Amino acid sequence: DAKTTQPNSMESNEEEPVHLPCNHSTISGTDYIHWYRQLPSQGPEYVIHGLTSNVNNRMASLAIAEDRKSSTLILHRATLRDAAVYYCILRDSLRSQGAQKLVFGQGTRLTINP
Amino acid sequence: DVKVTQSSRYLVKRTGEKVFLECVQDMDHENMFWYRQDPGLGLRLIYFSYDVKMKEKGDIPEGYSVSREKKERFSLILESASTNQTSMYLCASSLSTGTSPLHFGNGTRLTVT
Repeated sequence: DAKTTQPNSMESNEEEPVHLPCNHSTISGTDYIHWYRQLPSQGPEYVIHGLTSNVNNRMASLAIAEDRKSSTLILHRATLRDAAVYYCILRDSLRSQGAQKLVFGQGTRLTINP
Repeated sequence: DVKVTQSSRYLVKRTGEKVFLECVQDMDHENMFWYRQDPGLGLRLIYFSYDVKMKEKGDIPEGYSVSREKKERFSLILESASTNQTSMYLCASSLSTGTSPLHFGNGTRLTVT
């Protein structure tokens, strides 16, 4: 299964944009890029996913490089409640969910300063 | 919104006890999962179920079993709890399509003494 690489930690200020990078150089053509986040004392929460085009939803934006070997999760205006661990993972659209053995890895711990 | 409910937030059990962790989802999802999360190891898949009475082993099934008698409920069973099973246990559910997002419960922190 293709793997992702993320920085261990990042820090930003409240009300500023945050760009969380993810590298996935071995991504295959059928892999979707998914982002989850885990707030303290909670289970992971789905944020956004995409295949090739940039995606927006109420939580965030996902910018995908043209060669798809990297992507960036964008929080447009960070709040203190966005402090969490952010996970970038790949999901193969052709394989069943169980067969994919979803790997969350260590993610990026995002700290937001007031 | 999808709701995945885990029956206990905190649980303390003794070594050798049989432990049941319960998970219920309210969105008619076909797939349900049990993960454990430990510092430095991330989330690891214990078992997965894609239908009632169907189950598949994940990466670390040893010492665990599961039960799915109804679509909405997925139980994780520790046959004889051991101290190395002290962990955060997370249940998740999803639709059956390959890229459907997982919806997680808030976890059960199990301590085995």
